[in-house]
Amino acid sequence: EAQVTQNPRYLITVTGKKLTVTCSQNMNHEYMSWYRQDPGLGLRQIYYSMNVEVTDKGDVPEGYKVSRKEKRNFPLILESPSPNQTSLYFCASSLLAPGNEQFFGPGTRLTVL
Amino acid sequence: SQQGEEDPQALSIQEGENATMNCSYKTSINNLQWYRQNSGRGLVHLILIRSNEREKHSGRLRVTLDTSKKSSSLLITASRAADTASYFCATDAPNKLSFGAGTTVTVRA
Repeated sequence: EAQVTQNPRYLITVTGKKLTVTCSQNMNHEYMSWYRQDPGLGLRQIYYSMNVEVTDKGDVPEGYKVSRKEKRNFPLILESPSPNQTSLYFCASSLLAPGNEQFFGPGTRLTVL
Repeated sequence: SQQGEEDPQALSIQEGENATMNCSYKTSINNLQWYRQNSGRGLVHLILIRSNEREKHSGRLRVTLDTSKKSSSLLITASRAADTASYFCATDAPNKLSFGAGTTVTVRA
């Protein structure tokens, strides 16, 4: 089944404790991206990747890191999480350019205390 | 920065009625997409309309695009309880997709 998976789905952590949210897609998509969703603000892009080893900042990259060592995986890293990073995070992928249909993961609800 | 803005923010209709929501955007686009999100879950792609298209249909969905006004509308006909969700427009910009804040639609039985 074609899908985007994220892990974990729920995470409660404390300020400053490094964490990684994994994202994997099985559709051989080149484009992958991370979004955060906050009430009233819609989805805001954090980082995106056009292909392996090619990543770039989105609209709200501060406090986040990403890597794209393999085509299927695009982990989101929070080196030192803070309470303002409490949010719902989505990974998405598309075949080529972002203007194509995006396939979204189920989301990761992160709470930073 | 957000490119698209949906209007209204929230909409409540009776089952069987039509639901219309609008999206306005700021800069030129190649295409515009609409997505649906059920209560905190991942977004699901509904329809894509290219900048050279004016109208597109998919089942009970009808999307229009007016590039001169930089606006789009999504019409859901004969709504069902299962249409209760948030709807987002997304416009393409170089290398990324920009989403609006969404319209929350509630369909009452």
